[in-house]
Amino acid sequence: QVQLVQSGAEVKKPGASVKVSCKASGYTFTSYGISWVRQAPGQGLEWMGWISAYNGNTNYAQKLQGRVTMTTDTSTSTAYMELRSLRSDDTAVYYCARKSDDIFDYWGQGTLVTVSS
Amino acid sequence: SYVLTQPPSVSVAPGQTARITCGGNNIGSKSVHWYQQKPGQAPVLVVYDDSDRPSGIPERFSGSNSGNTATLTISRVEAGDEADYYCQVWDSSSDHYVFGTGTKVTVL
Repeated sequence: QVQLVQSGAEVKKPGASVKVSCKASGYTFTSYGISWVRQAPGQGLEWMGWISAYNGNTNYAQKLQGRVTMTTDTSTSTAYMELRSLRSDDTAVYYCARKSDDIFDYWGQGTLVTVSS
Repeated sequence: SYVLTQPPSVSVAPGQTARITCGGNNIGSKSVHWYQQKPGQAPVLVVYDDSDRPSGIPERFSGSNSGNTATLTISRVEAGDEADYYCQVWDSSSDHYVFGTGTKVTVL
């Protein structure tokens, strides 16, 4: 069965960086993309971008351009999302999701990132 | 950028029908997908490509899309359907994905 397992919660100071991992299993990793979505406390879902696990091509949300980098390691079927220059409004649960065409069909369990001084 | 507007909340009695709308400019020309999110859990895909259901999703969940409004319909609502629901599309003009504002469904 398809599973996406994310790394654990993180607490970071403003200005720091965070890197969240998402390990996939149960399917051919390079046949799908991985998208990242975040959700601030009590708020809705915000699309951050996606990466092709086939060729590494990326597409980032305009508001995060320059601060976010998405990568994959096909040898371990793991996707990564790094967010730099963290601010308090980056505090959120970060989800990875498998991208099948334009559908996010399987989701990770989420990783809480707290940005606080 | 493309905007998807949902009502903040919908209340429905058990056994009745809940309809959740998702408004967007000419949304009928796009494929709409719907996600259910229960408190403290990750979203789950419940309808894709306007009206298709993934395996394991009850037939009570259905969707439609026309003009400027897409609709998720939950028939014979159960207590377990209480959750937040989000619509989602791909916006070709920006090559970005967009989520709706979300609707909280309360079962009375």
